[in-house]
Amino acid sequence: NAGVTQTPKFQVLKTGQSMTLQCAQDMNHNSMYWYRQDPGMGLRLIYYSASEGTTDKGEVPNGYNVSRLNKREFSLRLESAAPSQTSVYFCASSVLGTGANVLTFGAGSRLTVL
Amino acid sequence: DQQVKQNSPSLSVQEGRISILNCDYTNSMFDYFLWYKKYPAEGPTFLISISSIKDKNEDGRFTVFLNKSAKHLSLHIVPSQPGDSAVYFCAARGSGSARQLTFGSGTQLTVLP
Repeated sequence: NAGVTQTPKFQVLKTGQSMTLQCAQDMNHNSMYWYRQDPGMGLRLIYYSASEGTTDKGEVPNGYNVSRLNKREFSLRLESAAPSQTSVYFCASSVLGTGANVLTFGAGSRLTVL
Repeated sequence: DQQVKQNSPSLSVQEGRISILNCDYTNSMFDYFLWYKKYPAEGPTFLISISSIKDKNEDGRFTVFLNKSAKHLSLHIVPSQPGDSAVYFCAARGSGSARQLTFGSGTQLTVLP
């Protein structure tokens, strides 16, 4: 079982370049999330998709866009990268229902913007 | 304004002793609390959770305690093992459409052999 797969694992961009982080899950989860992790800041929610066809802003959405391509895939796009977007990005998924909403995370994508 | 706070960035404990990691929150609408463990270069993995209607949940060496009046939760690891060395995040479940989790900043636990 692959779980949550993110690509690429590493990326270096120049300021102003664009790129898309890909995420796919094979657990038939209905909800998907993008978080970023920065030192001393923990994990902050960028965007989420409660179900296929819906997306909503999280805590830090500025400079990002998302697409819920189908139930399995949820991509994160940086249209014009800035040094402040240097971070480690995590995609996660869950079965949204009653209970704690346990997220399953991917291994992360480390992005550096020069 | 951080709604979930972990005020200790790091904690060192001797192998075999108890590790206590703490977390405070401000939003009384949170209804579930979770702990995640994260090793370097890996994604966070779920450890244990607790409903806001309970005050204790136990799973093997891991116990989470919730004090709603103080808006405080703690994770106890007994006995601590070197393999427990990792960053621990507490998280709280909100009431949004995706019941999204709000995370604390994490505590680096080091268990010394």
